[in-house]
Amino acid sequence: SQKIEQNSEALNIQEGKTATLTCNYTNYSPAYLQWYRQDPGRGPVFLLLIRENEKEKRKERLKVTFDTTLKQSLFHITASQPADSATYLCALFSDTGRRALTFGSGTRLQVQP
Amino acid sequence: DTAVSQTPKYLVTQMGNDKSIKCEQNLGHDTMYWYKQDSKKFLKIMFSYNNKELIINETVPNRFSPKSPDKAHLNLHINSLELGDSAVYFCASSYGQNIQMSQYFGPGTRLLVL
Repeated sequence: SQKIEQNSEALNIQEGKTATLTCNYTNYSPAYLQWYRQDPGRGPVFLLLIRENEKEKRKERLKVTFDTTLKQSLFHITASQPADSATYLCALFSDTGRRALTFGSGTRLQVQP
Repeated sequence: DTAVSQTPKYLVTQMGNDKSIKCEQNLGHDTMYWYKQDSKKFLKIMFSYNNKELIINETVPNRFSPKSPDKAHLNLHINSLELGDSAVYFCASSYGQNIQMSQYFGPGTRLLVL
């Protein structure tokens, strides 16, 4: 069955370091992948979209990679700040079959000052 | 200047009751969605409407009925509420029927069925 896996354990890092979050998927051929940020008690906020034919996408301190061979996306936050502390969700969309975004359960990031 | 708004924010009710959640977006989007986020934080799509027409209807009990009076509004009515319906329900919207577009989420409605 199709599965999206994000590390359910919280990621704790020191301020200034680079945070790297992982999104793995199986039995899926996504056309593209999105990353969202969710703060407690709030709705997800869109961050970045990367297409299957793109290897890397950047936006300010954020970088996303997409490896369709490894079936994995990595989400990096450079020079992390305490304000980056939140849960980060990856979401996949496939052009075939079920035409809807499928979300992972998210990874909580905690940046220590 | 709220982009996607939902009411109510909190909803506590008894099993068997009927309740509605309202959603409005002022972004000029023509596609709207309802998602359910359970206790394990999985966000699952329930319905999607494009210009008031249903385009996605996931395996959701018939007790859930969405209604879109116009493309800026998508309401969710739930009949005969059950304990398992307790969750956070998010409304979202995007441009176009092409689901490649980023989605804008509302603040969520926290439903607790007792």
